[in-house]
Amino acid sequence: QVQLQQWGAGVLKPSETLSLTCAVYGESFSAYIWNWIRQTPGKGLEWIGDINHSGSTNYSPSLESRVTISVDTSKNQLSLSLKSVTAADTAVYYCARMNGGWQRFDYWGQGSLVTVSS
Amino acid sequence: DIQMTQSPSSLSASVGDRVTITCRASQSISRYLNWYQQKPGKAPDLLIYAASNLQSGVPSRFSGSGSGTVFTLTINSLHPEDFATYYCQQSYNRPRTFGHGTKVEIK
Repeated sequence: QVQLQQWGAGVLKPSETLSLTCAVYGESFSAYIWNWIRQTPGKGLEWIGDINHSGSTNYSPSLESRVTISVDTSKNQLSLSLKSVTAADTAVYYCARMNGGWQRFDYWGQGSLVTVSS
Repeated sequence: DIQMTQSPSSLSASVGDRVTITCRASQSISRYLNWYQQKPGKAPDLLIYAASNLQSGVPSRFSGSGSGTVFTLTINSLHPEDFATYYCQQSYNRPRTFGHGTKVEIK
């Protein structure tokens, strides 16, 4: 049974760096592409970026200047770093597995609420 | 970026009703269209992928159709547990983009 478990700081001040980690259990890490997605009431679901097991990344153009996604294959973990956060980065952040040629998100983490407030 | 437009944004329906949700892409995405169901406080769950393929474990009352720019999600005979928000998402290219959701509420 595939499980994605995520964690990280929940409250940040403006200009700080958001850091989240997602651990993958029950499945081969190297066979898939791993994603970060966030959700806000205003903008809805927003794709942040993805990474494969070798560390090759793709980012959303709107966040590319501030975001870094990395992997630790020895631990089956992926991480998200978003620097210089503002209130607009307040959201629930999800990690998700992208599967197959049709590239659907078939497994998701439980979500992490990150609040940016002074 | 490919824009995904869902309609309606919300609807009210009764148990047993048939419900149809439409998703339009701003350009052709072939069949690279996925549907998700989300309940409050939970992550989205994959229902349909590649426009019409039912994800394993999803009840057969859910179905999807379409290709190119227009897609539909149909729920036949709405069950109480189907009251939720539904999202479409294109996987044709990056950045991956989602519709803004359709909230299905109890009439």
